[in-house]
Amino acid sequence: DAKTTQPPSMDCAEGRAANLPCNHSTISGNEYVYWYRQIHSQGPQYIIHGLKNNETNEMASLIITEDRKSSTLILPHATLRDTAVYYCIVGYSGGGADGLTFGKGTHLIIQP
Amino acid sequence: DTGVSQNPRHKITKRGQNVTFRCDPISEHNRLYWYRQTLGQGPEFLTYFQNEAQLEKSRLLSDRFSAERPKGSFSTLEIQRTEQGDSAMYLCASSLVVTGSSYEQYFGPGTRLTVT
Repeated sequence: DAKTTQPPSMDCAEGRAANLPCNHSTISGNEYVYWYRQIHSQGPQYIIHGLKNNETNEMASLIITEDRKSSTLILPHATLRDTAVYYCIVGYSGGGADGLTFGKGTHLIIQP
Repeated sequence: DTGVSQNPRHKITKRGQNVTFRCDPISEHNRLYWYRQTLGQGPEFLTYFQNEAQLEKSRLLSDRFSAERPKGSFSTLEIQRTEQGDSAMYLCASSLVVTGSSYEQYFGPGTRLTVT
């Protein structure tokens, strides 16, 4: 079973920041938080991941709380092409890691 | 385009027939994963390879399913005696795993299987 909890759906206006929450209260000390998204009829796309510190790349920012029990994915200026299902996943780093455990994700709808 | 390709993109087959899917990962990636996704659900892990070795199989991978990765390059997933419940999107992903480092998986576009 997925070790994360996400709202099933969210709306955001085009051009605004989209903030997607995720709870992972049972995360272990050596587990990372990964975010992927899946646009309709396509394979999942990696967005970002982090362990303890906040992370930023060209797609998004990841804010992890100090106790690591929750995180927020931020899309700074959402566009219509950001409409997708966003998955928050907890998993180990490379080496002994196995497959990702996806939940149902958050269906983010960007409104024009 | 992530660089991971899957063929065919769509497959329609009759119940009881065998089907085989192919995945070509990003060339330097040492790990290859197979997932299955049914409508409205997130992808479910099936199995993965480290180079040519199959290291883990999910309990979802029944005896009718077999996967190979000869020479650690492309991989095939075969389903024997297909059932209607096998209808799903089959996704392949690859990654470059270095011990001690975190990594991401790159997914292909998937093969959609319909069993009639």
